[in-house]
Amino acid sequence: QQQVKQSPQSLIVQKGGISIINCAYENTAFDYFPWYQQFPGKGPALLIAIRPDVSEKKEGRFTISFNKSAKQFSLHIMDSQPGDSATYFCAFTSNNRKLIWGLGTSLAVNP
Amino acid sequence: KAGVTQTPRYLIKTRGQQVTLSCSPISGHRSVSWYQQTPGQGLQFLFEYFSETQRNKGNFPGRFSGRQFSNSRSEMNVSTLELGDSALYLCASSLDRDGGISTDTQYFGPGTRLTVL
Repeated sequence: QQQVKQSPQSLIVQKGGISIINCAYENTAFDYFPWYQQFPGKGPALLIAIRPDVSEKKEGRFTISFNKSAKQFSLHIMDSQPGDSATYFCAFTSNNRKLIWGLGTSLAVNP
Repeated sequence: KAGVTQTPRYLIKTRGQQVTLSCSPISGHRSVSWYQQTPGQGLQFLFEYFSETQRNKGNFPGRFSGRQFSNSRSEMNVSTLELGDSALYLCASSLDRDGGISTDTQYFGPGTRLTVL
């Protein structure tokens, strides 16, 4: 079964710092890498997504980078803010259309 | 547009009972997926429904079942509840995941927190 390994499990960053979350995937047959953000008491919400034909995508303070040879993709949050404190999930679409999810990273941004 | 709604938000059941959870997708969305979320296992895919048909299924026992109605609303049922079924059950809808590999955004509801005693 295809898997995605997300790290770190938890992360504490100072306000204004850079938060980096990594995901490594196995196998092939994918074409979509979304990142979801989940606040307590809420369902996950799409934050940003990338396709493998693009090596980087930036939306505001959030950047996804994709390294196909290393089978890894990363989320960078620049100038992290306390409001970014949430759980972040990476995922990718498998060849049978299921979304395979990482286990999540709990991010805490200290003011 | 109203978002995905799930009812009830909280539920307490005892072992052996059964439970039905409801999900109303965003208007116009035809695909509904269900997930189980637990601290240790993350989001685990249960099943996906499209046009009243189960189009995809995760690795859960047959005690977990679902259905979708003609208005795209969906229900999932868990029979003979076990303590390990305690989790947040999330429903997500998307416009259309028709054939091939989809990149449709999934919109999640707030979930139903099920506690099995």
